[in-house]
Amino acid sequence: AQTVTQSQPEMSVQEAETVTLSCTYDTSESDYYLFWYKQPPSRQMILVIRQEAYKQQNATENRFSVNFQKAAKSFSLKISDSQLGDAAMYFCAYRSWNRDDKIIFGKGTRLHILP
Amino acid sequence: ETGVTQSPTHLIKTRGQQVTLRCSSQSGHNTVSWYQQALGQGPQFIFQYYREEENGRGNFPPRFSGLQFPNYSSELNVNALELDDSALYLCASSPDSYGYTFGSGTRLTVV
Repeated sequence: AQTVTQSQPEMSVQEAETVTLSCTYDTSESDYYLFWYKQPPSRQMILVIRQEAYKQQNATENRFSVNFQKAAKSFSLKISDSQLGDAAMYFCAYRSWNRDDKIIFGKGTRLHILP
Repeated sequence: ETGVTQSPTHLIKTRGQQVTLRCSSQSGHNTVSWYQQALGQGPQFIFQYYREEENGRGNFPPRFSGLQFPNYSSELNVNALELDDSALYLCASSPDSYGYTFGSGTRLTVV
């Protein structure tokens, strides 16, 4: 069974600085998707960034980028120029390539932005 | 606008009762999934529906059941509520099982 592990329950970063959230996962599959979701106090789960495992190039979305290390089964999220609105719970997630498969979430990292 | 609307936003029920949670998805979103998120945890997959048929289920007992309707709405039903069922219940829909849109959830408290 696939698992997703986030070892940092909480992190803090100064506004405008850069922070990296860590995630490792375990799977025997070769094709899959990896995601980072943001959950603010509004509770809605918002997709931040997505990575297809077959792509060697790391995904980027504006200030958000990932470091995808397939062999090491590592998928970290880097947030550059942190803003107050980035404060939220961040979940790393995995989904099999099978279109019918579920999303498996980690336990989350709470990110605090210090003004 | 999220495109996925869940109701109610909050709900308090008594142990042993039954509850129905509702989700309204965007037109064309043939896949809908339900997740349970306990306090301080990541969401856990309950089940998924595709074109009104269940096509995946997580490790939840049969008292958790669902329905998906032709108008892209869906329901999560929980019978014989237990205290441990207290959680945030999230609905997620997708047109293609690739890019999911989540709702803001229903906070269920069982007392």
